[in-house]
Amino acid sequence: AQSVTQLDSHVSVSEGTPVLLRCNYSSSYSPSLFWYVQHPNKGLQLLLKYTSAATLVKGINGFEAEFKKSETSFHLTKPSAHMSDAAEYFCVVSDFSGSARQLTFGSGTQLTVLP
Amino acid sequence: NAGVTQTPKFQVLKTGQSMTLQCAQDMNHNSMYWYRQDPGMGLRLIYYSASEGTTDKGEVPNGYNVSRLNKREFSLRLESAAPSQTSVYFCATRGSNTEAFFGQGTRLTVV
Repeated sequence: AQSVTQLDSHVSVSEGTPVLLRCNYSSSYSPSLFWYVQHPNKGLQLLLKYTSAATLVKGINGFEAEFKKSETSFHLTKPSAHMSDAAEYFCVVSDFSGSARQLTFGSGTQLTVLP
Repeated sequence: NAGVTQTPKFQVLKTGQSMTLQCAQDMNHNSMYWYRQDPGMGLRLIYYSASEGTTDKGEVPNGYNVSRLNKREFSLRLESAAPSQTSVYFCATRGSNTEAFFGQGTRLTVV
């Protein structure tokens, strides 16, 4: 069975400072991993994905994440936060379960950006 | 180029009423999913369909039924709505080795 743990339910940073959102996963197979962002009252937008190619993955809006198999982690980072980054972020693992590849979501991290 | 379209966007039901949430995709993907989102719990899988004609239960299927009408459409039915089903519902679709694409969500309130 697969699972995802987002280690912080809330993170606050000041505008212009680095962002770190932490994610650990467990999976029986070689997983695919994703980060999605959800702005208030909106749908989910893909930030970036890891699918067994380069372990350092670059996404949209300056975000990146590093797949570390030995640590079973996939932390999301950004060098300098912007006010528009305030949103909820979900780490997602994809693995085979049943008849299809299923997506398992973490519980989410709410990012607040302070002026 | 709509992607994944959900209807309705908002709905208020009385306890015991029934309704169907509709989802349609124009991405020619085989897999379709229904999730519910509740505060602090992320998205939880209700049902999924790996291909036309097949459906399987996810993590929280009780109180719901689904129909994969054809490759494009995957509907979610609440036969007798309960306040515990108040939530935001998302439909998603996925091709082989790709990320999932989500609809804009249906905000359902059961009173």
